[in-house]
Amino acid sequence: ETAVFQTPNYHVTQVGNEVSFNCKQTLGHDTMYWYKQDSKKLLKIMFSYNNKQLIVNETVPRRFSPQSSDKAHLNLRIKSVEPEDSAVYLCASSPRTGGSSQNTLYFGAGTRLSVL
Amino acid sequence: SQWGEENLQALSIQEGEDVTMNCSYKTYTTVVHWYRQDSGRGPALIILIRSNEREKRSGRLRATLDTSSQSSSLSITAAQCEDTAVYFCATDSNTDKVVFGTGTRLQVSP
Repeated sequence: ETAVFQTPNYHVTQVGNEVSFNCKQTLGHDTMYWYKQDSKKLLKIMFSYNNKQLIVNETVPRRFSPQSSDKAHLNLRIKSVEPEDSAVYLCASSPRTGGSSQNTLYFGAGTRLSVL
Repeated sequence: SQWGEENLQALSIQEGEDVTMNCSYKTYTTVVHWYRQDSGRGPALIILIRSNEREKRSGRLRATLDTSSQSSSLSITAAQCEDTAVYFCATDSNTDKVVFGTGTRLQVSP
């Protein structure tokens, strides 16, 4: 039963366009994440937010920017997409509390981006 | 086994066989997660083993952890077709990010 909702499921766009992906979780978790999954299924963390505050910002191009209006929502905007941005973008949440090691992630189904 | 910059591993077995997937990690971790990802869906946690545990069982799943060699394994007993998925190990060093291995694609045929 999905409790992390991502929209859209798929998006096809051209190089240079701007795209925006939405993510909402109804689990009451404090922490949300964006992961990028490439064609080889490799999962790499991009950003992490705890209660609307950015806490992890991996080395990603500056054209990527996360946006959080409240702890249940974490969107991802990509300005001027490049071909290498083609991937599945996975949003996740976790009930992480300070110092807890039980950082179980609950993922959405992902948004597949194709850049032509 | 999975980790680092290795490509996605692939295993193909027949229904009823046992299978073990290995994972070696490079940094300190307090827990190793094992996730499975079905086609078109996000990964979902299937078993979690803490650094003070050597073995953990859940149904047909068995996870092991050896912190001295920084390795973990996931075994599935009597695999079934519905076990077909990509399996990931992931580490959590009590920071704010969970780091995933490269994954193992398991195909179980009837």
